[in-house]
Amino acid sequence: DGGITQSPKYLFRKEGQNVTLSCEQNLNHDAMYWYRQDPGQGLRLIYYSQIVNDFQKGDIAEGYSVSREKKESFPLTVTSAQKNPTAFYLCASSPTRGGGIDTQYFGPGTRLTVL
Amino acid sequence: AQSVSQHNHHVILSEAASLELGCNYSYGGTVNLFWYVQYPGQHLQLLLKYFSGDPLVKGIKGFEAEFIKSKFSFNLRKPSVQWSDTAEYFCAVNAQGNTGKLIFGQGTTLQVKP
Repeated sequence: DGGITQSPKYLFRKEGQNVTLSCEQNLNHDAMYWYRQDPGQGLRLIYYSQIVNDFQKGDIAEGYSVSREKKESFPLTVTSAQKNPTAFYLCASSPTRGGGIDTQYFGPGTRLTVL
Repeated sequence: AQSVSQHNHHVILSEAASLELGCNYSYGGTVNLFWYVQYPGQHLQLLLKYFSGDPLVKGIKGFEAEFIKSKFSFNLRKPSVQWSDTAEYFCAVNAQGNTGKLIFGQGTTLQVKP
């Protein structure tokens, strides 16, 4: 069964703690992405990676970090430096298409709540 | 900076009514365009996309969208909505060459009354 899995579905953390969100895909896609979804703001790109061991900042990277050690995995760490971390986090992946972008496929998301 | 604007934040329709959701983007070059849908409790999934060719694009579940380059628009349409179309709809744009940067609109919540 191919797809993108994100875990956990719900996550609670105390202020001042770092937390890591998991994203795994078995679609053999080269590119992976992390978005943050807030009500009324759509999806905003946090980080993306087009190839293993390489990643770029998106529009709202401050307070977040990522790694891409394996093609199928792209974990996101929400650090204590992120001022407003409570949100719904979506992971996506896509094949590359002649060096450009192709359709992105999304995981089920992780809802993070900071207490 | 590139941006995507969806004019309607919340739309309420009765079943069988026609739907048109507006989407405008700000970028002067060549673009790839997408509409995604998020049904309650489900993954964000692709409705349709435009890369090139016929500007009238047909997607799943009877949806279509028209790319009008002169108006920087990519409006989503459906001639007759069903209760099951209740969902949040997102327009997204990628500027060709801007690899990995998919810019989303704010989303439109559609509520279809039976």
